[in-house]
This record gives sequence, structure tokens and C-alpha cells, in this order.
Amino acid sequence: NAGVTQTPKFRILKIGQSMTLQCTQDMNHNYMYWYRQDPGMGLKLIYYSVGAGITDKGEVPNGYNVSRSTTEDFPLRLELAAPSQTSVYFCASSSRVINQPQHFGDGTRLSIL
Amino acid sequence: AQSVSQHNHHVILSEAASLELGCNYSYGGTVNLFWYVQYPGQHLQLLLKYFSGDPLVKGIKGFEAEFIKSKFSFNLRKPSVQWSDTAEYFCASKGGSQGNLIFGKGTKLSVKP
Repeated sequence: NAGVTQTPKFRILKIGQSMTLQCTQDMNHNYMYWYRQDPGMGLKLIYYSVGAGITDKGEVPNGYNVSRSTTEDFPLRLELAAPSQTSVYFCASSSRVINQPQHFGDGTRLSIL
Repeated sequence: AQSVSQHNHHVILSEAASLELGCNYSYGGTVNLFWYVQYPGQHLQLLLKYFSGDPLVKGIKGFEAEFIKSKFSFNLRKPSVQWSDTAEYFCASKGGSQGNLIFGKGTKLSVKP
């Protein structure tokens, strides 16, 4: 059971570079989320999607973009990497049912130098 | 805005000691509460969840949590911790119609053998 798969696991970027963090899930979940985790700060929601073609901003969306062309995939795009985006990024998914938990991927550790 | 507060940043215990981690939430509507655990270098895993019914919820690995509505609390407990419980623990509340989680800042638990 793959669940939520994120790639890459680690990446180092230079300031101003761009990259896409990939996230795919095989549970046919409608809801997908991107969080960033910074030490001592918990997880903050960047973007979320309630279904293919529908995305919306979370708490900390600046500097990021997302798309949701299929139910399975929810990539996160960094256009102009900045040191403040150094973080661990987690993708999660859940079903539409209100009392179901979110399932998390293994995370992408991103350093911007 | 909804918020989740975790009282302890870092807890250090010896093996076999009892554990209680505090969590308070601010949302006054429908309650959907979770405890997640993150072992070093790994993704978040669900420990337990509460939506309704018996306020004492049992989860995996011997953990339990008690929902006290009057105190807006959802504290995590374990009678006897093991070295393998060393991890970071996150309390979370489901927020809004989009279903994203509002996380506390986490409590790091270190268990000395």
C-alpha cells in the first residue's frame, strides 16, 4: 500500500531557482494538502485542494503555487526559492468523510542556500 | 481563528514513567481532534482521534486521550513510556469546511533508557 508518496526526499536549491515537489496518492482521496514544518512551529497549511481542478490558499501560501489536474497528483511549485522557504514539506490526503484522518507522506526536506 | 495549544515544548522522562501531554483547542463548534506522532526522520502517524461518544479514546501503542469539553482539552496519556516512544507529538484539530488540520507546535518527548 503506497498511500501518499512524495518526491524528492531531499533537495538543496540556490536562491532564485525553481522546483516542483511532487505528491501522489493512491487512495482516491478528494482532499489533498501541503504543509510546511518548521522547528518548534508545528505544521502550517500552504495550499489545499478539495478535488481535481479546485485549489485554494492556506495559511502561508506566499511564494508557492499548486495545481490539481488529477485526483492522484498535487504538485507544489516554488518559483523563486528564498532562504525563508527552507523547511520540511509534507503532503497529506483525506477522504471526503468528515471523521477520517489525514494520511501523510514521508516529507521533502528542502534547503535554500 | 482556531488554534491549538500544546503546553510543553520538551518533556524528558525515564522509562516506565507515566506520561501526560497537554493540549487545548479554541474551536467551539464540532469537535474533530487528533494526536499524531512523528518519530525522528519520519512522517506523521495517527495515534488516535476523537469525534464524539466516549471521551476517553484509546489509540495505538498504549496511548489514550481524554476529551474534556468544559476545559477545551484533549490530553494525551500513557501509563508507562518506553525508549521507543521518543518522538515528537502533535495535537491537531480539524478546521473549517476544507478539512485541513490546525496543529499545535508539538511536544518533543525524550525517554531515557
